[in-house]
Amino acid sequence: DADVTQTPRNRITKTGKRIMLECSQTKGHDRMYWYRQDPGLGLRLIYYSFDVKDINKGEISDGYSVSRQAQAKFSLSLESAIPNQTALYFCATSDLPGREEQFFGPGTRLTVL
Amino acid sequence: KNEVEQSPQNLTAQEGEFITINCSYSVGISALHWLQQHPGGGIVSLFMLSSGKKKHGRLIATINIQEKHSSLHITASHPRDSAVYICAVEKGAQKLVFGQGTRLTINP
Repeated sequence: DADVTQTPRNRITKTGKRIMLECSQTKGHDRMYWYRQDPGLGLRLIYYSFDVKDINKGEISDGYSVSRQAQAKFSLSLESAIPNQTALYFCATSDLPGREEQFFGPGTRLTVL
Repeated sequence: KNEVEQSPQNLTAQEGEFITINCSYSVGISALHWLQQHPGGGIVSLFMLSSGKKKHGRLIATINIQEKHSSLHITASHPRDSAVYICAVEKGAQKLVFGQGTRLTINP
């Protein structure tokens, strides 16, 4: 089984709808991240969490919120989806700072019509 | 100007060729990561390095901290190496800043 899973893998929704993307990990890592990837722009950090009670904004947090329900679960919500939030979304985890790479989930392709 | 710049943006080569992908950055970093993204979209970490050189199979990554530059080399390239290679720098608190990626195509 994959160490980092994301659900759903693909989602098509309409403008104004609320959407939740979920991420679960079995690596036992404290640190979790949400990124979005747009063609030509690379990956950008939306939110990150270093433990269950810690939530931090990344460089593009406007229009998004997150919830860290447990060490293993980190959800990303779009309260009112808009078309420019159409992108590929990745969850990632890591352990010790500066000592270990980040492990990425398979990605969620979100289309907002 | 982006904090992390990769070159080239696209690279096409023949099987067996030696490949070099470059990454330059403009900020102080604690580590640099090389990632591979396959056509299906999945991202895999290849290397994390803060100095010197690392080797894994046919892949070699080097970093020059003074020059703020890193290279990823692939020896004896193979069509299965075709992917997008992404450089990312760790600025602190394990937050990554990513380059735009280099799309590599290896033809048989």
